Amino acid sequence: AQSVAQPEDQVNVAEGNPLTVKCTYSVSGNPYLFWYVQYPNRGLQFLLKYITGDNLVKGSYGFEAEFNKSQTSFHLKKPSALVSDSALYFCALHMNTGFQKLVFGTGTRLLVSP
Amino acid sequence: EAGVTQFPSHSVIEKGQTVTLRCDPISGHDNLYWYRRVMGKEIKFLLHFVKESKQDESGMPNNRFLAERTGGTYSTLKVQPAELEDSGVYFCASSQDAGARNSPLHFGNGTRLTVT
Repeated sequence: AQSVAQPEDQVNVAEGNPLTVKCTYSVSGNPYLFWYVQYPNRGLQFLLKYITGDNLVKGSYGFEAEFNKSQTSFHLKKPSALVSDSALYFCALHMNTGFQKLVFGTGTRLLVSP
Repeated sequence: EAGVTQFPSHSVIEKGQTVTLRCDPISGHDNLYWYRRVMGKEIKFLLHFVKESKQDESGMPNNRFLAERTGGTYSTLKVQPAELEDSGVYFCASSQDAGARNSPLHFGNGTRLTVT
């Protein structure tokens, strides 16, 4: 069965410091991996995706993620956090089945302090 | 372009009542998905429409849930009768293409359903 794990319910970081939000996955085969962000009272917004190719994927708002097949991880990173990055972050995957039936993690709340 | 619109944003109903959630996808998006997040857990897939046809409804919890997409435009999700465990945030998403390679999902703001 496919699954996504986000081991941290919350990540706290000071503004200007680098941030990492962790994601690991379990699947047989080669998944498509995604990060979505949810700001308060808003819907999920697409940040970035890994389909194939370069393991380092760059996305919106300065975020990037690194696909590591041996560790089955897809951690989200940003070199310098902003207070406005504070939100709920979801990692997700789906298999290349043609349709976007995503399997999500439980979400990680990122809190960036001034 | 207008985004995915969901109505209502909040709904509070009593156990046993009926609620209908509506989703208006982005114009021209044939693919429409419903997802649900219950009590701070993971977001789970409910079902997928391609135009007016249900492509995959394997995530629907039980027969108290009925989704429709008449005419292939907007979609409704009806819960009848509602139970306490149905409380959560219901998200709708749409995409132009089926696959994720070129067309990520666009999500609405969700409907927060509370069953008391």
